[in-house]
Amino acid sequence: GENVEQHPSTLSVQEGDSAVIKCTYSDSASNYFPWYKQELGKGPQLIIDIRSNVGEKKDQRIAVTLNKTAKHFSLHITETQPEDSAVYFCAASSRLNYGGSQGNLIFGKGTKLSVKP
Amino acid sequence: KAGVTQTPRYLIKTRGQQVTLSCSPISGHRSVSWYQQTPGQGLQFLFEYFSETQRNKGNFPGRFSGRQFSNSRSEMNVSTLELGDSALYLCASSLGASGGVNEKLFFGSGTQLSVL
Repeated sequence: GENVEQHPSTLSVQEGDSAVIKCTYSDSASNYFPWYKQELGKGPQLIIDIRSNVGEKKDQRIAVTLNKTAKHFSLHITETQPEDSAVYFCAASSRLNYGGSQGNLIFGKGTKLSVKP
Repeated sequence: KAGVTQTPRYLIKTRGQQVTLSCSPISGHRSVSWYQQTPGQGLQFLFEYFSETQRNKGNFPGRFSGRQFSNSRSEMNVSTLELGDSALYLCASSLGASGGVNEKLFFGSGTQLSVL
């Protein structure tokens, strides 16, 4: 089945700096890659996603890049702010996951981002 | 448009008891998935329901069960609670088309279950 690895597990940056979180996946058939942000006491919130026919997608200070050949995708946050502090999860989805015991989305283990003012 | 609603927000139970958690998906969404989240294991998939039928099932014991109603609302039940069942239980909904694959998944705030 699909396996998603996420690095780093913790990341600390100064306010205003950029943050990059990287994920790799194993299933070459995966073609949908969302990113979630989870703040303390809340459920994961979808912040951006990308499909395999696109190499990069931006939304204000957030961008995601996808390299299908290398099977990795990354989340880039520019001009970080204290409110960006949270746990971020990447995930991958493939038609081959359908009916499988992992569910339709395979999640990474998460990255705890701390933005210091 | 209202998001995914989970009730109750917090639960405290003792070992051996059973518990029922409730989830109302986003209006128009027909698929509901349940996840268990713990600090050590991350997000673990429990099961997915679509049109009142269980479509996917994770690797959890039979003590964990669920169901979905005709209005797409879902409940999950855990019987004979164990200390290790203490976790945040998350419900997520999606449109459910195309087998639910490659779809945006929207999470509720979760139910924090503590088993004493």
